[in-house]
Amino acid sequence: SQQGEEDPQALSIQEGENATMNCSYKTSINNLQWYRQNSGRGLVHLILIRSNEREKHSGRLRVTLDTSKKSSSLLITASRAADTASYFCATVRSGSARQLTFGSGTQLTVLP
Amino acid sequence: DVKVTQSSRYLVKRTGEKVFLECVQDMDHENMFWYRQDPGLGLRLIYFSYDVKMKEKGDIPEGYSVSREKKERFSLILESASTNQTSMYLCASSLLGRGLEETQYFGPGTRLLVL
Repeated sequence: SQQGEEDPQALSIQEGENATMNCSYKTSINNLQWYRQNSGRGLVHLILIRSNEREKHSGRLRVTLDTSKKSSSLLITASRAADTASYFCATVRSGSARQLTFGSGTQLTVLP
Repeated sequence: DVKVTQSSRYLVKRTGEKVFLECVQDMDHENMFWYRQDPGLGLRLIYFSYDVKMKEKGDIPEGYSVSREKKERFSLILESASTNQTSMYLCASSLLGRGLEETQYFGPGTRLLVL
């Protein structure tokens, strides 16, 4: 089963608006990562939040983590057309320090 | 910057052909991974390797094999390609770090079509 599940599956917003994507997971984690994938390309790491952190910022990205609810959110502020991509959360698999489990992703479309 | 390259961006093969997908990383990473990505199914791990000549099965290894003869190169082999192996194949690498904070670095992907 999927460790990470993103919500919504698809999101369409106007340029300049904020975009919020959510991720839920099932087991305890050490950290949670967000990745971005432009259409037809590989994934690019955006940000990592540790289990003892509640919020982290990187440029226009803000990630929150609620371990009691087993959920995380990714906020992109002042979105741009170039932010159009799929966004995935990933968690380290229980018992494996090397393997990540990816969710099925949120497809974000930012309209100019 | 870490660079992960894959031998082909697009590949068209016939059913029954043997297919080799090559992946090379230039950052001396210990771990390398092969995923396939299909609409609605997300990324699924096929095989991974944490050292030269070492390999471990992922979630969907059937119909695939891998080879890691050198640290920087990880090859995915489709012994006898079938139409259900038509997919986007993504290679990734990561450093064997401490604290379980292993960011994976991805190649651009190979879109394989099996006819």
